[in-house]
Amino acid sequence: DGGITQSPKYLFRKEGQNVTLSCEQNLNHDAMYWYRQDPGQGLRLIYYSQIVNDFQKGDIAEGYSVSREKKESFPLTVTSAQKNPTAFYLCASSPSQGALTNEKLFFGSGTQLSVL
Amino acid sequence: KQEVTQIPAALSVPEGENLVLNCSFTDSAIYNLQWFRQDPGKGLTSLLLIQSSQREQTSGRLNASLDKSSGRSTLYIAASQPGDSATYLCAVGGTGNQFYFGTGTSLTVIP
Repeated sequence: DGGITQSPKYLFRKEGQNVTLSCEQNLNHDAMYWYRQDPGQGLRLIYYSQIVNDFQKGDIAEGYSVSREKKESFPLTVTSAQKNPTAFYLCASSPSQGALTNEKLFFGSGTQLSVL
Repeated sequence: KQEVTQIPAALSVPEGENLVLNCSFTDSAIYNLQWFRQDPGKGLTSLLLIQSSQREQTSGRLNASLDKSSGRSTLYIAASQPGDSATYLCAVGGTGNQFYFGTGTSLTVIP
């Protein structure tokens, strides 16, 4: 079955530690996204990528980093500079250019990150 | 910047009732609008996508409408069932190639 796989489902970060969240898709989609979801708030865009080896910052990129070395993979690193990382992180993809086209957005099942 | 609002934040209805969820947005220059369903601790599932040139879309018991000029969309759910209980989010696709999400409406259908 085609889809988006996020791992791990739960992740704990110690003070000063960098952690990496995995996102893999087998939908052959060009565009991939990372969102952060906090209770009572809408999804906020961290980074997005429309093609391999290219990505753009979203509204809340500070303290996060990404890479897009392969079409199917878009890992997110939460660095120690992100002082409030506890949230539900969602990876998504769309066939080509996302919001500018009439394509549905597909989501993974999410990673809950908590601080120890 | 685009702002998306969903009211009410929570809604409880008895099984079998028809209901309407609301979504409003501040900038009418949108490309499309999507409605999503999210179950607790899960990702989002796209239910319906309305292109900016369309007025409505239907899928089964769901009907979504779009009025760009007034910055509003509604999701109509007919003959609600307990399995419809979830959080429903709307998102607009707009400038900057971004999707802007509302905070969602948490729906509970009581058997």
